[in-house]
Amino acid sequence: DAGVIQSPRHEVTEMGQEVTLRCKPISGHDYLFWYRQTMMRGLELLIYFNNNVPIDDSGMPEDRFSAKMPNASFSTLKIQPSEPRDSAVYFCASSLPPGQGDSYEQYFGPGTRLTVT
Amino acid sequence: RKEVEQDPGPFNVPEGATVAFNCTYSNSASQSFFWYRQDCRKEPKLLMSVYSSGNEDGRFTAQLNRASQYISLLIRDSKLSDSATYLCGVSTDSWGKLQFGAGTQVVVTP
Repeated sequence: DAGVIQSPRHEVTEMGQEVTLRCKPISGHDYLFWYRQTMMRGLELLIYFNNNVPIDDSGMPEDRFSAKMPNASFSTLKIQPSEPRDSAVYFCASSLPPGQGDSYEQYFGPGTRLTVT
Repeated sequence: RKEVEQDPGPFNVPEGATVAFNCTYSNSASQSFFWYRQDCRKEPKLLMSVYSSGNEDGRFTAQLNRASQYISLLIRDSKLSDSATYLCGVSTDSWGKLQFGAGTQVVVTP
């Protein structure tokens, strides 16, 4: 079975440019999570969705960050404009809903390594 | 105080030895607990869920202590391939939101 798919795997961009990260969750997983990982702050939850609806975006650092989930198989995380401090690895993860099988177990994609110069 | 805390290590372990480390959490209402393994420049991979009664998967044993609010991971007969960072994840709501610790680095040496 295919796992969580993310693209691109690496992104290098200049400060001020728009960056769009993409994620395809595991089929049948109703929950989708976006994380950011840095050495200084560790793994931080940015936002998560249930059935394509954003549930909690309190981790989104500022208005430059936005996320959408137009359907059950696709989500985007956009940064506009990007800044050097946004450099990090961005992970997408998905899980089953509570009460189903191995619910709450999150499965991570390979991540997008973002460098903003 | 952070919601989920881990000793960053590194824990330097001779091959074949046993190593154990903990993860403490502050939210007494947390219901679900997990151990993830993360290799350098890779994504976290689920190692095991932690059940109230404790659980074992081969050389790995996880336990939950609700009274003292911590989970533990024990690795027996350590292999070189066990070298990694081990992250604990703790649920913080009924939607499945997890808070992760900063990770414990384990280095298994020949």
